[in-house]
Amino acid sequence: AQRVTQPEKLLSVFKGAPVELKCNYSYSGSPELFWYVQYSRQRLQLLLRHISRESIKGFTADLNKGETSFHLKKPFAQEEDSAMYYCALGGGTGRRALTFGSGTRLQVQP
Amino acid sequence: EAGVAQSPRYKIIEKRQSVAFWCNPISGHATLYWYQQILGQGPKLLIQFQNNGVVDDSQLPKDRFSAERLKGVDSTLKIQPAKLEDSAVYLCASSLLGNEQYFGPGTRLTVT
Repeated sequence: AQRVTQPEKLLSVFKGAPVELKCNYSYSGSPELFWYVQYSRQRLQLLLRHISRESIKGFTADLNKGETSFHLKKPFAQEEDSAMYYCALGGGTGRRALTFGSGTRLQVQP
Repeated sequence: EAGVAQSPRYKIIEKRQSVAFWCNPISGHATLYWYQQILGQGPKLLIQFQNNGVVDDSQLPKDRFSAERLKGVDSTLKIQPAKLEDSAVYLCASSLLGNEQYFGPGTRLTVT
């Protein structure tokens, strides 16, 4: 069965501090991992996916199959990064629906 | 391009009443999803359509929930009768052949 775990409900940091949002997954096949973000009063939107291996808004995430993790990192947090972040796991062939973690709220204080 | 549209945005009903939600996906997106998001949790898939066919409805409580996408475009999700535990945000998303999912604003349902 697919499962995504985000152990922290809330992460509070000061502006300019490094950020790491943790995500662990359980999946027997070849995983497809995503990070989605929801800013205040906005809809859920894709932040990044492991396949593209790109940096979006300064965030990066590396898939570690040995540790079954896909942690989201940013070296210097900005106040506008404050939002709800969800890690999501894509299903196998023919089933693209996402399994979401419970989310981590990031608060960046001035 | 226009995003995924959902209506209504908010709905309050009493338990045992029925309710329906509507979703219009992005034009040309063959895949449509309905997710349920209970407060404090991540979205959970209820049903996935590919065009007008059901791909996955394994987590849909079929004794009270139903969904259709008759012409392969917009979709409706119905709950009849509603229970208190159905209080949640119902999210619709669409994608082009299983790639990036685009989400609508959601419908917040409160069952009293």
